[in-house]
Parts: sequence; structure tokens; C-alpha cells
Amino acid sequence: NAGVTQTPKFQVLKTGQSMTLQCAQDMNHNSMYWYRQDPGMGLRLIYYSASEGTTDKGEVPNGYNVSRLNKREFSLRLESAAPSQTSVYFCASSDGGSGNTIYFGEGSWLTVV
Amino acid sequence: GENVEQHPSTLSVQEGDSAVIKCTYSDSASNYFPWYKQELGKRPQLIIDIRSNVGEKKDQRIAVTLNKTAKHFSLHITETQPEDSAVYFCAASTPSGGYNKLIFGAGTRLAVHP
Repeated sequence: NAGVTQTPKFQVLKTGQSMTLQCAQDMNHNSMYWYRQDPGMGLRLIYYSASEGTTDKGEVPNGYNVSRLNKREFSLRLESAAPSQTSVYFCASSDGGSGNTIYFGEGSWLTVV
Repeated sequence: GENVEQHPSTLSVQEGDSAVIKCTYSDSASNYFPWYKQELGKRPQLIIDIRSNVGEKKDQRIAVTLNKTAKHFSLHITETQPEDSAVYFCAASTPSGGYNKLIFGAGTRLAVHP
């Protein structure tokens, strides 16, 4: 089992460019998440998908969109990148509700110049 | 909104000493409290968790305590080793629509000096 895999690992974007971060999990989990991590800020939830076919906003959704393509895949899109979106992005998954362990991908380092 | 505060932000100990990290949460409905360890450049990984019906849980050198009345929980690491050096995150989860709604603390950078 690979767990949660995300691509790309590193990306540099120019302001205004768009890109999509891809994520896939092979643990048959229902719920998937996108977090961003900034120094001194911990992990903040951008969007989540409680189950296939549903997506909802988290704490910091502005400037992002998501797609739950199927049970395995959950992508994050930046339509018009801004320097404030420079961060480390983590995809994660869990088997449903509260009390179930969240497993993280390896992270994607995004720099917007 | 829900909030998790974590202290201290940095902690430096000598090898063999104990380390304690404390967190407080605001939502009384929170019922699951995991702790994650993140090494430099790596993903956060679960090291221990506790549910609201338990006051203490121990796993070898790591223990977590929970005080629901005061809404705080703590991570205790005994006999620290250099490989314990990392950033530790606490989190609190509230039941919400079938997914794990985790709110993270800002993290504690632990340095264990040989």
C-alpha cells in the first residue's frame, strides 16, 4: 500500500498562473482533505470531501477549488495563484468521521513568485 | 470558531529528560485528540491519540492525558532521545457530518540535545 500519494512534490508558479495538485489514496477511505501548512500556523483545512460525490469548504478555502474525481482521487486547483498561496500542501484521508486516524501524503511545496 | 492553543512553541531539553506539551481546546463537543509528529521536510505522522471517554493513555515513552472539564490535554515524553527532535502538533476533532473535523494547534518544536 502506498497510502496517500500526491503530485507534484515541488512547483514554482508565477502570479496569476493556474495549477492542479493531484492526490490519490489506496486505503479505500471515504473522506479526503487538503491542508496547507505555513510556518507557525499549524495545519489549516482548505477543503474536504466527507465521501465520494461531496465537497465542502474548510477554514481557508478562498482562492482554491477541489474535485473529488472518484473514491480514490481528490484534486486541488489554484485558478490564479497569488504569493499568499506559497505554502506546503498536504493531502490526507481517513475512514469517515471523528475518531478515525487521518493519514497524510508527503506534501507539495508550492512557491508563487 | 473552534480553536486549539498549544504551548510552548519551542522546547529544548537534554537527552534523558522529560518533555511536556500542553494544548487547550474551545469546543466542548470535541471527542478525539490525536498528536502528530513531523520531522523536517516530512509528513505529519500520528504518534498517539486519546478519546474523550479516557483520561490517560500510554505507549512506551509517550503518554497523553485529557482533562475534559478544563478542556485541555497534554503530551508527555519520558527519557527523551535525539530522534524525538521534531515538531509536534496536537489536534481536536469534533463530530461533524461524517468526516474527521480536526483543528490543529500551531505546533511545538522540540529539540533534544545529546
